[in-house]
Amino acid sequence: QVQLVQSGAEVKYPGASVKVSCKSSGYTFTGNYMHWVRQAPGQGLEWMGWINPDSGGTNYAQKFQGRVTMTRDTSISTAYMDLSRLRSDDTAVYYCARGNGDGFTLVYFDYWGQGTLVTVSS
Amino acid sequence: DIQMTQSPSSLSASVGDRVTITCRASQSISSYLNWYQQKPGKAPKLLIYAASSLQSGVPSRFSGSGSGTDFTLTISSLQPEDFASYYCQQSYSTPIFTFGPGTKVEIK
Repeated sequence: QVQLVQSGAEVKYPGASVKVSCKSSGYTFTGNYMHWVRQAPGQGLEWMGWINPDSGGTNYAQKFQGRVTMTRDTSISTAYMDLSRLRSDDTAVYYCARGNGDGFTLVYFDYWGQGTLVTVSS
Repeated sequence: DIQMTQSPSSLSASVGDRVTITCRASQSISSYLNWYQQKPGKAPKLLIYAASSLQSGVPSRFSGSGSGTDFTLTISSLQPEDFASYYCQQSYSTPIFTFGPGTKVEIK
């Protein structure tokens, strides 16, 4: 069965960086894009970007460009999301989510990790 | 950028009620609209994709409809486990994606 298992909670100071991992199993890791979505406390879902695990190609939401880097290690079927220059409003639960669809315009997120809470506080 | 709105932002309903949630896009997105359910402290769960296709394993009391700019998620007979937040998400603007602000379904 498909599983996405994320790394544990993090507490960071403002200005620091955080790297969240997402280990995949139960499917061919390079066959689906991996997306990252975050949710601030009591707020809605915010899409951050994706990585193509096969090519390593990425696309980031404009809001995060310059601060976010998404990478992968195909040897261990793991995707990573690195967010730098953290601010207090980056405090959120960060999710990885597997992309699926028709390979063109239809894209939906059919499996999600359990979430990683990142707290940014001085 | 395509903006997504949802109405209502919250609602109170009783077990057995028929519940309808609306999602509206700022421009036509054809049928590139998906729905998710999220319970407190849990990851979102895909319910409906491509506006009206039921994800495998999702109960048939959930249905989706619409195209263009206006979409609805309907729960035909609300069950206790359906009390949650619901989000729409568009993929028309791929490779960029956006979610609606969410609708919280509470117990009356």
